[in-house]
Amino acid sequence: GAGVSQSPRYKVAKRGRDVALRCDSISGHVTLYWYRQTLGQGSEVLTYSQSDAQRDKSGRPSGRFSAERPERSVSTLKIQRTEQGDSAVYLCASSSQDGGANVLTFGAGSRLTVL
Amino acid sequence: AQRVTQPEKLLSVFKGAPVELKCNYSYSGSPELFWYVQYSRQRLQLLLRHISRESIKGFTADLNKGETSFHLKKPFAQEEDSAMYYCALNINTDKLIFGTGTRLQVFP
Repeated sequence: GAGVSQSPRYKVAKRGRDVALRCDSISGHVTLYWYRQTLGQGSEVLTYSQSDAQRDKSGRPSGRFSAERPERSVSTLKIQRTEQGDSAVYLCASSSQDGGANVLTFGAGSRLTVL
Repeated sequence: AQRVTQPEKLLSVFKGAPVELKCNYSYSGSPELFWYVQYSRQRLQLLLRHISRESIKGFTADLNKGETSFHLKKPFAQEEDSAMYYCALNINTDKLIFGTGTRLQVFP
């Protein structure tokens, strides 16, 4: 497709369960990112980067978050043992190097609610 | 440590008033800075980047290395400018870090 798509758009999970969120990025974009928007805390955007590798190379210190890249243009964000504080909108973005600048194209987001 | 600071969570102005959304950064290298915008029920999208020195939708932003700032300005705000605005810093051409965002509300 022409843009970045994410699935599911909405996910409800019981606390303690594992969750996987999928991102299909733009063909040819090398770098994929996952960000988190937590509206209840002043619209915090959390960075989470991933380079052209099977595994993420940076992320949240808790270790419950990981990203895998089964295909070049597909990324899966996995959240283990979800907590209520994980409720947020998770945004995927892919990067094109446009004139040397790192410009991101974002997906519509996946809204996760942890009960 | 690299950091982007947007001190205002909310900025409310009336239509036609000037707008300045503040952004300060902390980075020891040569900074690449961006402003991203998210309108209601839309995706986060690039508004402008400092290397282009462009004006988009009437918005401009000048990089001030002395003050380590990249404030976003518009002389006359419009109602359709109401949105969340995020300042972002590119480090190592590999990762963008964002500020916490400022919600701009433009009243009629």
